[in-house]
Amino acid sequence: SAVISQKPSRDICQRGTSLTIQCQVDSQVTMMFWYRQQPGQSLTLIATANQGSEATYESGFVIDKFPISRPNLTFSTLTVSNMSPEDSSIYLCSVEGRGGGPLNEQFFGPGTRLTVL
Amino acid sequence: GENVEQHPSTLSVQEGDSAVIKCTYSDSASNYFPWYKQELGKRPQLIIDIRSNVGEKKDQRIAVTLNKTAKHFSLHITETQPEDSAVYFCAASKGGGSEKLVFGKGTKLTVNP
Repeated sequence: SAVISQKPSRDICQRGTSLTIQCQVDSQVTMMFWYRQQPGQSLTLIATANQGSEATYESGFVIDKFPISRPNLTFSTLTVSNMSPEDSSIYLCSVEGRGGGPLNEQFFGPGTRLTVL
Repeated sequence: GENVEQHPSTLSVQEGDSAVIKCTYSDSASNYFPWYKQELGKRPQLIIDIRSNVGEKKDQRIAVTLNKTAKHFSLHITETQPEDSAVYFCAASKGGGSEKLVFGKGTKLTVNP
């Protein structure tokens, strides 16, 4: 099965700075998604990373705060910009269409645990 | 948009007992319903899913049932084991590929030895 990795696995950042999170898949996938999971909470979709076009953002999330890149079918980045303590969370990427598998099945990366001081 | 409600928020059972987690959804166009298990500090893992063209699906000790008319689906775990302890999330999607998942708030299952 495909391997999904994220870098960094965790980071502690100062407010006002930015962090870029990378998501790498070892096979081509149709769709990549970025989620946020606050402690003890469910998963909230930030945006869908579209290959070759701008990401599609969910209500409450904007491109200026969470710019996303998807340069090819195996890689995406999420940047958390101008961070505040409220951005402290786990950020997860997920992929769909892994290895030609059934549509809709989404598989998650290991997550990036972000703490903003 | 889609709204997924999940109950209960916590569930404690004795080892060997069954556990049932229930979810309801609001959008009748949803047709794909996965369940994820998330152990502490780990990523969510897809454990079973069901599509709207079937009413039940089983995989060893895990089963999922779907009632399209009532717009609810349930996860059933039989012969529970301590390693089943985790947070379980249900989700719903309109399917067809490239459709987002909307998650329930999760159920923390504790299986007591």
